[in-house]
Amino acid sequence: SQQGEEDPQALSIQEGENATMNCSYKTSINNLQWYRQNSGRGLVHLILIRSNEREKHSGRLRVTLDTSKKSSSLLITASRAADTASYFCATDATIYGNKLVFGAGTILRVKS
Amino acid sequence: NAGVTQTPKFQVLKTGQSMTLQCAQDMNHEYMSWYRQDPGMGLRLIHYSVGAGITDQGEVPNGYNVSRSTTEDFPLRLLSAAPSQTSVYFCASRLARLGVNTGELFFGEGSRLTVL
Repeated sequence: SQQGEEDPQALSIQEGENATMNCSYKTSINNLQWYRQNSGRGLVHLILIRSNEREKHSGRLRVTLDTSKKSSSLLITASRAADTASYFCATDATIYGNKLVFGAGTILRVKS
Repeated sequence: NAGVTQTPKFQVLKTGQSMTLQCAQDMNHEYMSWYRQDPGMGLRLIHYSVGAGITDQGEVPNGYNVSRSTTEDFPLRLLSAAPSQTSVYFCASRLARLGVNTGELFFGEGSRLTVL
């Protein structure tokens, strides 16, 4: 079974609204990463948060990590049509060795 | 600086045929990996390598072979293609220092494979 599970599976919002996606995982981690995938393209790294960090910002992105609940959230503020994509969380855990384990992703649609 | 380059972008095979998906990176990354992406299942790791001459299995290795003779190249071989191998394949790489991975994965644009 997958280490990271995102919810919701799909999210549709209006341009200018905020989008929040959640990721839950099962084991202790070294870090958690979020990636974006535009349709028909490869994944692009957005942000990495280490296990000893609680919150991280990058432009309009805000990521939080709660290791006690084994969960993370990705907030995209003031969304744009160009943010339409699939978003994946990925966990880097010692138990998985050198492997980065991905969840199934959240499909975000931003309507203009 | 091209990053991670995958070829071909599209391929159609018949059941039982063999083929090799090519992956090359020019970032001097020690770690390289192959994932497959299927609808609703995210990315699943097939094989990975932490350096030239070293490979290991991921979550779904059956039906695939890999080798790593150089730092730059990590080809994925399908010896006898099956319809269940219809998928989009992604190669990805990242830095590794002293065998410990650091940071983000860099992905290629994907290879879409259809097995009839």
